Amino acid sequence: GEDVEQSLFLSVREGDSSVINCTYTDSSSTYLYWYKQEPGAGLQLLTYIFSNMDMKQDQRLTVLLNKKDKHLSLRIADTQTGDSAIYFCAESYSGGYQKVTFGTGTKLQVIP
Amino acid sequence: EPEVTQTPSHQVTQMGQEVILRCVPISNHLYFYWYRQILGQKVEFLVSFYNNEISEKSEIFDDQFSVERPDGSNFTLKIRSTKLEDSAMYFCASSEASGSTDTQYFGPGTRLTVL
Repeated sequence: GEDVEQSLFLSVREGDSSVINCTYTDSSSTYLYWYKQEPGAGLQLLTYIFSNMDMKQDQRLTVLLNKKDKHLSLRIADTQTGDSAIYFCAESYSGGYQKVTFGTGTKLQVIP
Repeated sequence: EPEVTQTPSHQVTQMGQEVILRCVPISNHLYFYWYRQILGQKVEFLVSFYNNEISEKSEIFDDQFSVERPDGSNFTLKIRSTKLEDSAMYFCASSEASGSTDTQYFGPGTRLTVL
């Protein structure tokens, strides 16, 4: 079955870049997502990438996909204190009704 | 920007009671989903719903759970007889279509506490 793994915790200084990593097992995944969850809040879709892409950039966010190694990363440039949250990597397979499988989440702590 | 809404934000209930969690998906969306997140654990898929029927469900979604779209705007999750282990954050999501160009949008969640 599908499985998505992430490291649990990352701490960075304000202004530095953050890189959050994720590995997944399902080679048929079509979409790979990054969601952000702030304390007590819901899941905010940050960005997504199709499996036929290597990279996607959206303002301060850069997503890199290594399909061969089934490795996904999210880079946040110039990390701010407002970026402190839990970041979930997620994937969905092609076909069906797009059940989304989430990773364990990485808690990003930004130190002022 | 359109968004998925959920009510209530927090529900406290006694074990064995029935609860209904409510969601209003984005208006032009056709596919609806429920997920749950037990405190400190992964977000888990429960069920997807399309054209007034369940299209996929997980092993978590047993006979105690049911979903309904009672009118043109609401999408509900009912838990018939709550157990302590049902305590979790429940997220509703919706998507416009289910194909290669679509993504799911999540509501803010309902925190269910079973005592």
